[in-house]
Amino acid sequence: GAGVSQSPSNKVTEKGKDVELRCDPISGHTALYWYRQSLGQGLEFLIYFQGNSAPDKSGLPSDRFSAERTGGSVSTLTIQRTQQEDSAVYLCASSLQANQPQHFGDGTRLSIL
Amino acid sequence: QQQVKQSPQSLIVQKGGISIINCAYENTAFDYFPWYQQFPGKGPALLIAIRPDVSEKKEGRFTISFNKSAKQFSLHIMDSQPGDSATYFCAACNQGGKLIFGQGTELSVKP
Repeated sequence: GAGVSQSPSNKVTEKGKDVELRCDPISGHTALYWYRQSLGQGLEFLIYFQGNSAPDKSGLPSDRFSAERTGGSVSTLTIQRTQQEDSAVYLCASSLQANQPQHFGDGTRLSIL
Repeated sequence: QQQVKQSPQSLIVQKGGISIINCAYENTAFDYFPWYQQFPGKGPALLIAIRPDVSEKKEGRFTISFNKSAKQFSLHIMDSQPGDSATYFCAACNQGGKLIFGQGTELSVKP
């Protein structure tokens, strides 16, 4: 019944490795968002999917970051060649439609050694 | 143009008191203003939200006041309780859907 589900809840990896973070939105929600929360930068928008439209990638910090949403449901955020500054909590949110209330998962805490 | 400024950074209130957190925005295209509550280790939880066609919205002990001409909005928590101790974020959104967040306020309610 669920709310937004994210996995893994914690991920520790070595600098230079690739990581994949998963988000299962609330069933029936057409809009899906990724945000990043870090001590220095607060909560930052990364990318947004709405239905079958082209995603808004304007918040992605570099070309090492990418995301996809398959079948209008599950989304995966991929970070290639991780750097220490990528350490943060990655949050996923979904909403019924754009500009409707967004509901967040509990995030994936990513630590880069 | 996209910034949302939130104050104070931290707030200590006695049990039963009123907690007030303020936010200001610049972009007049914003048309949806939610407040989120976040506990350690958890994602932000939607608390209350307002659109600019109303000046106030109340849900239980939580009230948003909105001043469109001043481009400011605030959260009031009446009868604050120790269980309200958390970090609070204001945010703003336009038709594009992405939320622009304030910097957060760490609220501590003392028993």
